[in-house]
Amino acid sequence: EDKVVQSPLSLVVHEGDTVTLNCSYEVTNFRSLLWYKQEKKAPTFLFMLTSSGIEKKSGRLSSILDKKELFSILNITATQTGDSAVYLCAVLYGGATNKLIFGTGTLLAVQP
Amino acid sequence: NAGVTQTPKFRVLKTGQSMTLLCAQDMNHEYMYWYRQDPGMGLRLIHYSVGEGTTAKGEVPDGYNVSRLKKQNFLLGLESAAPSQTSVYFCASSLGQSGYTFGSGTRLTVV
Repeated sequence: EDKVVQSPLSLVVHEGDTVTLNCSYEVTNFRSLLWYKQEKKAPTFLFMLTSSGIEKKSGRLSSILDKKELFSILNITATQTGDSAVYLCAVLYGGATNKLIFGTGTLLAVQP
Repeated sequence: NAGVTQTPKFRVLKTGQSMTLLCAQDMNHEYMYWYRQDPGMGLRLIHYSVGEGTTAKGEVPDGYNVSRLKKQNFLLGLESAAPSQTSVYFCASSLGQSGYTFGSGTRLTVV
């Protein structure tokens, strides 16, 4: 059975801390791994990773994929209260169907 | 450019009632999806469509029907609502080979 597992389930940090969120997967017909940020409403796109070992970076956020070990990490440096959200990991799989399978998410709370 | 628009945003139904959730996208995307999100379960795929006139079952299709008569619209129907269908429903669309654009969600409560 295809699955995406995220850890930790929840995390509380203080502003300025660095956090690492983990995502492991077992998905047939893997195509890409995506990270989303969800604050109350719709998930918003952060990164899409297709190749191993190539870091994607956007401001204080970065992510990397390891296709041999089947995992990805999302790093957030110098956290701010605005980073508080649920971070979702998803794997794009399948041929023509372009489906996403999601992990359960990591709830990050950044305290002032 | 509105992206993906879902209506309604909130709804309360009584057990056994029916309703239709509407999803509209203005990005000319081929692929459209309906997910439900429950606490501790992540987003789970209900039904999806790879183009106008096509639909297919996802992971949790029971109790739902869908239609894609026009490329820009994807409708999700509940024929006889049950309390187990209380959830937040997200519609999404995609060009293919890429991530999704999500709507803002519909919070449905079945009492």
